[in-house]
Amino acid sequence: GENVEQHPSTLSVQEGDSAVIKCTYSDSASNYFPWYKQELGKRPQLIIDIRSNVGEKKDQRIAVTLNKTAKHFSLHITETQPEDSAVYFCAASPVTDSWGKLQFGAGTQVVVTP
Amino acid sequence: EAEVAQSPRYKITEKSQAVAFWCDPISGHATLYWYRQILGQGPELLVQFQDESVVDDSQLPKDRFSAERLKGVDSTLKIQPAELGDSAMYLCASSLVLGLNTEAFFGQGTRLTVV
Repeated sequence: GENVEQHPSTLSVQEGDSAVIKCTYSDSASNYFPWYKQELGKRPQLIIDIRSNVGEKKDQRIAVTLNKTAKHFSLHITETQPEDSAVYFCAASPVTDSWGKLQFGAGTQVVVTP
Repeated sequence: EAEVAQSPRYKITEKSQAVAFWCDPISGHATLYWYRQILGQGPELLVQFQDESVVDDSQLPKDRFSAERLKGVDSTLKIQPAELGDSAMYLCASSLVLGLNTEAFFGQGTRLTVV
């Protein structure tokens, strides 16, 4: 089955700096890679995702890159703000025509200090 | 906005007792997931349904855990008997066709404490 590893486990940045979180996956059949943000006591929520036919995707201050050959993908947050403080999870999934299966990384606690 | 509903939000139970959690996915979502999230860790997939069928329960401790989705809509996860190590957040999620049409949406979770 799929195994997703995520680094670092904690990340402290100054407000305005960039944050980068990296994940690797093991199953070459995985073709969908979402990133979830979980604030304390709340449900995980999707912030961005990428499919294997795309190398990079951006949404305002957030970007994700994918290297299929190396089986790794990364989340980049630019101009960090205090409200970016949360736990971020990467996930990988092989997706068929009818369903997919999400395996999550262990998470990265991001702390943005003013 | 449609949401995944879970109940109860919190549950305290004594070890060796039975406990059950309920999940109502977003209407029309064929795929339903149960995850266990231990504090400080990522969600761990316990069981996945496609409609009423189990498509993956390889990580479900079947000696004490069971899950069902009889009509392919709502689902129940049961633990019997509960053990101290079962204390965790139990998250339910649902999706249409993951990655192709939509994302996986999570419920608020059930926080289980076994004493």
